[in-house]
Amino acid sequence: GESVGLHLPTLSVQEGDNSIINCAYSNSASDYFIWYKQESGKGPQFIIDIRSNMDKRQGQRVTVLLNKTVKHLSLQIAATQPGDSAVYFCAENSGYSTLTFGKGTMLLVSP
Amino acid sequence: DVKVTQSSRYLVKRTGEKVFLECVQDMDHENMFWYRQDPGLGLRLIYFSYDVKMKEKGDIPEGYSVSREKKERFSLILESASTNQTSMYLCASRKSSSYNSPLHFGNGTRLTVT
Repeated sequence: GESVGLHLPTLSVQEGDNSIINCAYSNSASDYFIWYKQESGKGPQFIIDIRSNMDKRQGQRVTVLLNKTVKHLSLQIAATQPGDSAVYFCAENSGYSTLTFGKGTMLLVSP
Repeated sequence: DVKVTQSSRYLVKRTGEKVFLECVQDMDHENMFWYRQDPGLGLRLIYFSYDVKMKEKGDIPEGYSVSREKKERFSLILESASTNQTSMYLCASRKSSSYNSPLHFGNGTRLTVT
């Protein structure tokens, strides 16, 4: 069947490298941002979130950076593993208490 | 862990059929959502519900309706299925205590309308 990964920008890295996935958001009034991971055949899975009063937040092997000046969000994955291969989405709280999702980036990790 | 369960992983329906997609969550979440996901278009919001008996249109509600009779269950209804409704449908839920909290998704229903 069709894959959610079709038509997406792709980042290819080697196992052990650090990965950086970028996202430009649209609404300067957005105050909450989330990164999701979607593996083939599964629904999006929450990774990490950040509020607009923060510039950086760290989780386990992941870091999210927020630059409100240029409306840019990035997800850094340390020591990328083959299991990290997936599509990654950013989402912003754009009002009406719902989220607006980016189109996604496919991350491919080679052993 | 939050569990959001969509009753079918794959469905094949004929044009004109009435289709029901069911979603159940087990964490007493007030808010529930239906998205569709298409290659090149990302996730688009169809309908959402703040609580039982409540519903709000999302960005692409045409051709769909919803039902929220119980807190844990949110159904998406295609009144008369058409081929352009072939898609992956994703249900999600969220605790309403804070709007700044993540959505939790089910694993999706891939619907094909022939």
